[in-house]
Amino acid sequence: NAGVTQTPKFRILKIGQSMTLQCTQDMNHNYMYWYRQDPGMGLKLIYYSVGAGITDKGEVPNGYNVSRSTTEDFPLRLELAAPSQTSVYFCASRPQSIQGRGNIQYFGAGTRLSVL
Amino acid sequence: QQPVQSPQAVILREGEDAVINCSSSKALYSVHWYRQKHGEAPVFLMILLKGGEQKGHEKISASFNEKKQQSSLYLTASQLSYSGTYFCGTSMRAGGTSYGKLTFGQGTILTVHP
Repeated sequence: NAGVTQTPKFRILKIGQSMTLQCTQDMNHNYMYWYRQDPGMGLKLIYYSVGAGITDKGEVPNGYNVSRSTTEDFPLRLELAAPSQTSVYFCASRPQSIQGRGNIQYFGAGTRLSVL
Repeated sequence: QQPVQSPQAVILREGEDAVINCSSSKALYSVHWYRQKHGEAPVFLMILLKGGEQKGHEKISASFNEKKQQSSLYLTASQLSYSGTYFCGTSMRAGGTSYGKLTFGQGTILTVHP
């Protein structure tokens, strides 16, 4: 079972470069999320999606863009990389809510990004 | 509103117990607990829902005090494998209306020594 797969695992960017962090899940989950985690800190929500074609901003969306053309894929785009975007990025997904069961999120292994 | 976890760090010897707290200033619908090993993804431990019962998994259990808007994670007879950073994630509304979004605490670092 693949679950949530993120690529690449590591990346070094120069200031001003752009890149796309890939995230795909094979669990047919409607909901997907992108978080960033700075050293010693908790997870901050960047963007989320409730289904193909529907995305919305989270707590820290500036400098990022997302798209959701299929249920499986939820790529995160950095257009003009800045040192402040040095972080570990996690993608997560969850199924539709089941009454009384809550909303468990399943995480990918993460992408470590350094902007120099 | 980010939940506040306490303590920030705990050091234990194998076999000792620990309690990690997660407090919110807002009314909560659910509290999720995750453990993250260094360099790895967070792994789900358990979820507590408003009005639900205390949950447990082997020697790790948790409770949810609705009056205090606080959840506590109890680690009993700790093992070396319990080492890691523990995060609580909170939701103030049921999944359908909040889109499953969670707000995470800053984490509690747990270190278990032999």
